[in-house]
Amino acid sequence: GDSVTQMEGPVTLSEEAFLTINCTYTATGYPSLFWYVQYPGEGLQLLLKATKADDKGSNKGFEATYRKETTSFHLEKGSVQVSDSAVYFCALSSQGGSEKLVFGKGTKLTVNP
Amino acid sequence: DAMVIQNPRYQVTQFGKPVTLSCSQTLNHNVMYWYQQKSSQAPKLLFHYYDKDFNNEAYTPDNFQSRRPNTSFCFLDIRSPGLGDAAMYLCATSSGQGGRETQYFGPGTRLLVL
Repeated sequence: GDSVTQMEGPVTLSEEAFLTINCTYTATGYPSLFWYVQYPGEGLQLLLKATKADDKGSNKGFEATYRKETTSFHLEKGSVQVSDSAVYFCALSSQGGSEKLVFGKGTKLTVNP
Repeated sequence: DAMVIQNPRYQVTQFGKPVTLSCSQTLNHNVMYWYQQKSSQAPKLLFHYYDKDFNNEAYTPDNFQSRRPNTSFCFLDIRSPGLGDAAMYLCATSSGQGGRETQYFGPGTRLLVL
């Protein structure tokens, strides 16, 4: 079945550091790929998405590129802020009529001033 | 703004006392989902509605039921909550156009079972 594997962390960085959170997936066909962010005590917010190979999703300084050859969708940000502290989930949604999201286990990011 | 709304944000119930959580949406989406999320874990899908068609996950306990009286509203009923049902419950929606869709989440209801 479909699956998502992401770096579990926790990840602790200083403000203005570079962030990478790795995400790889296994799926048949051409899934859509997502990064969701969850701030403490809140629901999930869509951070960015990509729907086909070589697409780059971007939002709030975060970027991720859909790499079919490596089945990856790594999240990057050039300079993190304290306000980026949250849990980040990589997820996929398969084609073929299924309405389900498959999540990775989440990566907790803490950014220190 | 179009959105997914969950009420209440915090719910306290007693062991074995039925509880209902509510979700509404202004996105006019066909699909509504209920997830359970325990501490430091990914959300776990309990069930979803495609319009009025109910789809239950095989592992979802019978103790959990859902109702969708119309497009906008969906309810999660826990008939006899146990201590292990304490969690964040997330509602989500998607347009439902053949998979690969974005799901939009509400803020969640945190359930405490005493």
